[in-house]
Amino acid sequence: QLQLQESGPGLVKPSETLSLTCTVSGGSISSSSYYWGWIRQPPGKGLEWIGSIYYSGSTYYNPSLKSRVTISVDTSKNQFSLKLSSVTAADTAVYYCARRSLGELSLSWFDPWGQGTLVTVSS
Amino acid sequence: QSVLTQPPSVSGAPGQRVTISCTGSSSNIGAGYDVHWYQQLPGTAPKLLIYGNSNRPSGVPDRFSGSKSGTSASLAITGLQAEDEADYYCQSYDSSLSGSNYVFGTGTKVTVL
Repeated sequence: QLQLQESGPGLVKPSETLSLTCTVSGGSISSSSYYWGWIRQPPGKGLEWIGSIYYSGSTYYNPSLKSRVTISVDTSKNQFSLKLSSVTAADTAVYYCARRSLGELSLSWFDPWGQGTLVTVSS
Repeated sequence: QSVLTQPPSVSGAPGQRVTISCTGSSSNIGAGYDVHWYQQLPGTAPKLLIYGNSNRPSGVPDRFSGSKSGTSASLAITGLQAEDEADYYCQSYDSSLSGSNYVFGTGTKVTVL
Protein backbone atom coordinates (compact mmCIF):
# COMPACT_ATOMS: atom_id res chain seq x y z
CA GLN A 1 0.00 0.00 0.00
CA LEU A 2 1.46 3.31 -1.08
CA GLN A 3 2.14 5.76 1.74
CA LEU A 4 3.47 9.30 1.77
CA GLN A 5 5.03 11.09 4.74
CA GLU A 6 5.94 14.76 5.00
CA SER A 7 8.86 15.95 7.11
CA GLY A 8 10.60 19.21 7.86
CA PRO A 9 10.77 22.15 10.29
CA GLY A 10 7.51 23.18 11.90
CA LEU A 11 8.62 26.77 12.39
CA VAL A 12 10.14 29.10 9.81
CA LYS A 13 11.05 32.75 10.22
CA PRO A 14 9.56 35.41 7.93
CA SER A 15 11.58 36.05 4.74
CA GLU A 16 13.32 32.68 5.04
CA THR A 17 12.84 29.55 2.93
CA LEU A 18 10.43 26.78 3.89
CA SER A 19 11.80 23.31 3.08
CA LEU A 20 9.82 20.07 3.25
CA THR A 21 10.41 16.51 2.07
CA CYS A 22 7.91 13.83 1.16
CA THR A 23 9.05 10.22 1.53
CA VAL A 24 7.20 7.63 -0.53
CA SER A 25 6.97 4.05 0.73
CA GLY A 26 5.24 0.97 -0.61
CA GLY A 27 6.16 1.83 -4.18
CA SER A 28 8.86 3.43 -6.29
CA ILE A 29 8.59 7.09 -7.15
CA SER A 30 10.15 6.36 -10.54
CA SER A 31 8.70 2.99 -11.50
CA SER A 32 5.46 4.33 -12.90
CA SER A 33 4.12 7.30 -14.75
CA TYR A 34 2.73 9.27 -11.84
CA TYR A 35 3.29 12.89 -10.99
CA TRP A 36 3.76 13.86 -7.35
CA GLY A 37 2.50 17.05 -5.80
CA TRP A 38 2.28 19.47 -2.90
CA ILE A 39 -0.95 20.99 -1.60
CA ARG A 40 -1.42 23.26 1.40
CA GLN A 41 -4.24 24.26 3.73
CA PRO A 42 -4.07 27.35 5.97
CA PRO A 43 -5.62 26.77 9.40
CA GLY A 44 -9.40 26.74 9.12
CA LYS A 45 -9.30 27.40 5.37
CA GLY A 46 -9.46 25.57 2.07
CA LEU A 47 -6.96 23.70 -0.08
CA GLU A 48 -4.44 25.23 -2.50
CA TRP A 49 -2.37 23.27 -5.04
CA ILE A 50 1.28 24.35 -4.99
CA GLY A 51 2.91 22.30 -7.74
CA SER A 52 3.77 18.88 -9.11
CA ILE A 53 6.82 16.96 -10.32
CA TYR A 54 7.53 13.89 -12.46
CA TYR A 55 10.32 11.48 -11.54
CA SER A 56 12.32 12.82 -14.47
CA GLY A 57 12.30 16.26 -12.84
CA SER A 58 9.66 17.86 -15.03
CA THR A 59 7.67 20.35 -12.95
CA TYR A 60 4.66 22.62 -13.14
CA TYR A 61 3.57 25.14 -10.56
CA ASN A 62 0.61 27.20 -9.42
CA PRO A 63 1.04 30.50 -11.29
CA SER A 64 0.33 32.46 -8.11
CA LEU A 65 3.28 30.83 -6.29
CA LYS A 66 5.58 30.05 -9.19
CA SER A 67 8.12 32.80 -8.46
CA ARG A 68 8.79 31.41 -4.97
CA VAL A 69 8.43 27.64 -5.43
CA THR A 70 10.91 24.94 -6.32
CA ILE A 71 10.01 21.25 -6.30
CA SER A 72 12.70 18.62 -6.80
CA VAL A 73 12.94 14.84 -6.77
CA ASP A 74 15.52 12.37 -5.44
CA THR A 75 14.72 8.98 -6.91
CA SER A 76 17.56 7.28 -5.00
CA LYS A 77 15.83 8.16 -1.74
CA ASN A 78 12.28 7.81 -3.11
CA GLN A 79 11.61 11.39 -2.06
CA PHE A 80 10.50 14.68 -3.49
CA SER A 81 10.90 18.07 -1.89
CA LEU A 82 9.37 21.52 -1.69
CA LYS A 83 11.13 24.83 -1.21
CA LEU A 84 9.10 28.02 -0.77
CA SER A 85 11.14 31.20 -0.50
CA SER A 86 10.49 34.58 1.11
CA VAL A 87 7.76 33.23 3.36
CA THR A 88 5.31 35.39 5.29
CA ALA A 89 2.62 34.65 7.84
CA ALA A 90 0.27 33.97 4.93
CA ASP A 91 2.29 30.83 4.17
CA THR A 92 1.39 29.30 7.53
CA ALA A 93 -0.46 26.12 6.66
CA VAL A 94 -0.63 22.36 6.81
CA TYR A 95 1.40 21.12 3.86
CA TYR A 96 0.39 17.84 2.23
CA CYS A 97 2.16 15.75 -0.35
CA ALA A 98 0.08 13.58 -2.66
CA ARG A 99 0.25 11.45 -5.78
CA ARG A 100 -1.42 12.82 -8.91
CA SER A 101 -3.41 10.30 -10.91
CA LEU A 102 -2.23 8.91 -14.24
CA GLY A 103 -3.41 10.30 -17.52
CA GLU A 104 -4.20 13.68 -18.91
CA LEU A 105 -3.04 16.57 -16.76
CA SER A 106 -6.33 18.45 -16.92
CA LEU A 107 -8.39 15.47 -15.78
CA SER A 108 -6.26 14.44 -12.80
CA TRP A 109 -7.00 14.01 -9.14
CA PHE A 110 -4.85 13.42 -6.02
CA ASP A 111 -4.66 10.09 -4.20
CA PRO A 112 -3.29 9.11 -1.78
CA TRP A 113 -2.27 11.99 0.48
CA GLY A 114 0.27 12.18 3.26
CA GLN A 115 -0.92 12.99 6.77
CA GLY A 116 0.27 16.58 6.44
CA THR A 117 2.67 18.72 8.44
CA LEU A 118 1.95 22.11 9.99
CA VAL A 119 4.41 24.84 9.15
CA THR A 120 4.13 28.09 11.08
CA VAL A 121 5.82 31.25 9.84
CA SER A 122 6.73 33.42 12.80
CA SER A 123 9.69 35.22 14.28
CA GLN B 1 -9.15 32.74 -3.48
CA SER B 2 -10.99 29.63 -4.66
CA VAL B 3 -12.55 29.70 -8.11
CA LEU B 4 -14.95 26.90 -7.24
CA THR B 5 -17.79 27.91 -4.92
CA GLN B 6 -19.45 25.58 -2.44
CA PRO B 7 -22.03 26.27 0.28
CA PRO B 8 -20.28 26.74 3.64
CA SER B 9 -22.45 24.17 5.35
CA VAL B 10 -25.22 21.64 4.87
CA SER B 11 -26.93 19.50 7.46
CA GLY B 12 -29.32 16.60 7.67
CA ALA B 13 -30.71 14.00 10.01
CA PRO B 14 -29.43 10.44 9.94
CA GLY B 15 -30.84 8.59 6.96
CA GLN B 16 -31.60 11.73 4.98
CA ARG B 17 -30.14 12.80 1.65
CA VAL B 18 -27.97 15.90 1.33
CA THR B 19 -26.36 17.48 -1.69
CA ILE B 20 -23.33 19.75 -2.02
CA SER B 21 -22.95 21.99 -5.04
CA CYS B 22 -19.70 23.10 -6.65
CA THR B 23 -20.07 26.07 -8.97
CA GLY B 24 -17.34 27.00 -11.39
CA SER B 25 -17.04 28.81 -14.70
CA SER B 26 -16.14 28.45 -18.35
CA SER B 27 -12.43 28.24 -17.53
CA ASN B 28 -12.75 25.16 -15.35
CA ILE B 29 -15.82 22.92 -14.99
CA GLY B 30 -17.53 24.54 -17.97
CA ALA B 31 -14.46 23.88 -20.12
CA GLY B 32 -15.07 20.16 -19.75
CA TYR B 33 -12.53 19.42 -17.05
CA ASP B 34 -13.43 16.64 -14.65
CA VAL B 35 -14.56 17.27 -11.08
CA HIS B 36 -13.32 15.22 -8.14
CA TRP B 37 -14.46 15.19 -4.53
CA TYR B 38 -12.59 14.74 -1.27
CA GLN B 39 -13.75 14.04 2.28
CA GLN B 40 -11.73 15.52 5.14
CA LEU B 41 -12.55 14.14 8.55
CA PRO B 42 -11.58 16.37 11.51
CA GLY B 43 -7.82 16.52 11.98
CA THR B 44 -7.02 14.28 9.04
CA ALA B 45 -5.84 14.59 5.46
CA PRO B 46 -8.33 14.78 2.59
CA LYS B 47 -9.37 11.43 1.17
CA LEU B 48 -10.50 10.87 -2.42
CA LEU B 49 -14.25 10.25 -2.51
CA ILE B 50 -15.27 10.66 -6.15
CA TYR B 51 -13.08 10.92 -9.25
CA GLY B 52 -13.90 11.68 -12.84
CA ASN B 53 -17.21 13.38 -11.93
CA SER B 54 -19.04 10.24 -10.82
CA ASN B 55 -16.68 7.35 -10.11
CA ARG B 56 -16.10 5.90 -6.66
CA PRO B 57 -12.73 4.49 -5.64
CA SER B 58 -12.73 1.02 -4.17
CA GLY B 59 -13.97 1.08 -0.59
CA VAL B 60 -16.15 4.20 -0.88
CA PRO B 61 -19.78 3.38 -0.05
CA ASP B 62 -22.33 3.74 -2.83
CA ARG B 63 -24.16 6.22 -0.60
CA PHE B 64 -21.84 8.79 -2.17
CA SER B 65 -22.49 9.84 -5.76
CA GLY B 66 -21.32 12.64 -8.01
CA SER B 67 -22.61 14.39 -11.08
CA LYS B 68 -21.66 17.26 -13.34
CA SER B 69 -23.61 19.55 -15.63
CA GLY B 70 -22.53 22.71 -17.37
CA THR B 71 -20.41 24.82 -15.06
CA SER B 72 -21.42 22.99 -11.88
CA ALA B 73 -21.06 19.67 -10.14
CA SER B 74 -22.79 18.04 -7.20
CA LEU B 75 -22.03 15.50 -4.53
CA ALA B 76 -24.94 13.61 -3.01
CA ILE B 77 -24.91 11.64 0.20
CA THR B 78 -27.88 9.35 0.69
CA GLY B 79 -28.67 7.57 3.94
CA LEU B 80 -26.63 10.10 5.91
CA GLN B 81 -24.63 8.57 8.76
CA ALA B 82 -22.89 10.12 11.76
CA GLU B 83 -19.52 9.11 10.31
CA ASP B 84 -20.19 11.33 7.28
CA GLU B 85 -19.75 14.45 9.38
CA ALA B 86 -16.74 16.07 7.73
CA ASP B 87 -15.59 18.78 5.34
CA TYR B 88 -16.02 18.10 1.63
CA TYR B 89 -14.05 19.71 -1.19
CA CYS B 90 -14.48 19.62 -4.95
CA GLN B 91 -11.46 19.89 -7.26
CA SER B 92 -11.02 20.57 -10.94
CA TYR B 93 -8.56 22.13 -13.39
CA ASP B 94 -8.58 25.76 -14.43
CA SER B 95 -7.04 27.24 -17.53
CA SER B 96 -7.14 30.99 -18.09
CA LEU B 97 -5.01 33.84 -19.35
CA SER B 98 -3.22 33.98 -16.00
CA GLY B 99 -2.15 30.36 -16.27
CA SER B 100 -3.31 26.83 -15.56
CA ASN B 101 -3.56 24.98 -12.29
CA TYR B 102 -5.58 22.64 -10.15
CA VAL B 103 -8.27 24.38 -8.16
CA PHE B 104 -10.29 23.39 -5.13
CA GLY B 105 -13.69 24.43 -3.91
CA THR B 106 -14.26 26.59 -0.86
CA GLY B 107 -15.29 23.56 1.16
CA THR B 108 -18.56 22.45 2.76
CA LYS B 109 -19.03 21.27 6.31
CA VAL B 110 -21.60 18.50 6.61
CA THR B 111 -23.29 18.25 9.98
CA VAL B 112 -25.37 15.23 10.98
CA LEU B 113 -28.14 16.44 13.24
